[in-house]
Amino acid sequence: GIQVEQSPPDLILQEGANSTLRCNFSDSVNNLQWFHQNPWGQLINLFYIPSGTKQNGRLSATTVATERYSLLYISSSQTTDSGVYFCAVDRRGNYGQNFVFGPGTRLSVLP
Amino acid sequence: KAGVTQTPRYLIKTRGQQVTLSCSPISGHRSVSWYQQTPGQGLQFLFEYFSETQRNKGNFPGRFSGRQFSNSRSEMNVSTLELGDSALYLCASSPHSPGPIGNTIYFGEGSWLTVV
Repeated sequence: GIQVEQSPPDLILQEGANSTLRCNFSDSVNNLQWFHQNPWGQLINLFYIPSGTKQNGRLSATTVATERYSLLYISSSQTTDSGVYFCAVDRRGNYGQNFVFGPGTRLSVLP
Repeated sequence: KAGVTQTPRYLIKTRGQQVTLSCSPISGHRSVSWYQQTPGQGLQFLFEYFSETQRNKGNFPGRFSGRQFSNSRSEMNVSTLELGDSALYLCASSPHSPGPIGNTIYFGEGSWLTVV
C-alpha cells in the first residue's frame, strides 16, 4: 500500500518563528489533507489540497503531486499552534475513502 | 451546522467485554468512516460506510464491526475486548460528490476507550 512519511518528527519553535512541515508519499493520490490534532484529540481539517497551493491566514500549503510531496507552512507561530500535524492521503476518489496517515509532526511553540 | 458528534467521549471496559461507539455525521454527509489511533500504530483506517453499505475496510480482525443507519448515523462495535484495543476511536464524515477527486473529511472529537 501507499506509504506516507512526514518530517521532521518533532519541532520546537519560539513564538513568532516560521516553519515548514513536509509530507512525502509513495504513489499517486487524488486526495491529500492536512490536519492539526489538538491536545484533546480532535483532528481539525486545515487543508484539502490534492494539488496546487492554498492559503488560510498564517497557514499555507503546497502539493506537488507529480513529485509526490506536500508542504505545510506556518508563519508567525503562536502557542496555540502547538500539537501534532498529520498529512493524510487517499487514492480512492469517488469510490470511497481509505485515508493513510503519516506519523505526524509534533510541534511545540514556546512563549 | 453541527459538527460530527461521537458518543461516549470516554469509557472504560474490561477485557472480554464488548463496546459500541456511536457517530452522528454532519447533516447531509452520507459517508462515515472510522479510524483507530494508538501511540504505537498511529492513525489507522477501520472502515467506511456509505448509504448503509460498507464500502471500504481496513486490516482489522472481525471483532471490529460497524453499521450505518438510514439517517447516516453510524455505530462501531468491538467484541471480546483486548488490552490492545485501548485507543482513541475517531469518526469522520464527508459529503459525496461524483468525480475522481475525493472529498474533504471532518472528524469528531473521538471516543477514548480504555480496556483494563
